[in-house]
Amino acid sequence: SYEVTQPPSVAVSPGQTASIPCSGENLGNNYVSWYQQKPGQSPVMVIYQDGKRPSGIPERFSGSSSGNTATLTISGTLAMDEADYYCQAWDGNSILVFGGGTKLTVL
Amino acid sequence: QVHLVESGGGLVKPGGSLRLSCSVAGFTFSDYYMAWIRQAPGKGLECISHISSGSSSIFYSDSVKGRFTISRDNAKNSLYLQINSLRAEDTAVYYCARDGGYGGDPMLDHWGQGTLVTVSS
Repeated sequence: SYEVTQPPSVAVSPGQTASIPCSGENLGNNYVSWYQQKPGQSPVMVIYQDGKRPSGIPERFSGSSSGNTATLTISGTLAMDEADYYCQAWDGNSILVFGGGTKLTVL
Repeated sequence: QVHLVESGGGLVKPGGSLRLSCSVAGFTFSDYYMAWIRQAPGKGLECISHISSGSSSIFYSDSVKGRFTISRDNAKNSLYLQINSLRAEDTAVYYCARDGGYGGDPMLDHWGQGTLVTVSS
């Protein structure tokens, strides 16, 4: 089955830019979505179709994808952005898949 | 506004069964694909089943294939997950989610609050 991979953790200082990669074979051929999950809460979609933001999601969240890697970027990171982030992809032939999740720590 | 509410979770013995339900409101349920996602304690997200708007296309993860059955009743605005032959490793919070991709690339744009399933003797 299709697999996508994320680093377990990323750390960033407040006000700096955080980048969270997601890698998978030919990932750029399919759209990627990103979800934010804070402790004790349900996931929230923050990016869809590689780089589009749902209404209500701050402009500091952006996404891109090329080749085998998609990237979630948080510009001007705030303390409230500390959370787990998951990428999600689909190869069209089987169940949609999530990456293992990345814990973003705002130091 | 869009609202999804799961129910049916609880404590069950290994080998037992449960039926989870997801009741939705605020959108035309019959237009959307839906999915069940679970999260074991301290672990990541796993999509375990995905169903098309008319139930003609269904996917299962390898971990639940043959034991879990997804279904929907568009007249009742409800999604279901029948889970059989439960194992300790099925212990998780089970979320239902709406797929806003209209049959294209999935994008889970709304989630319920989840229902906890605990498998233990």
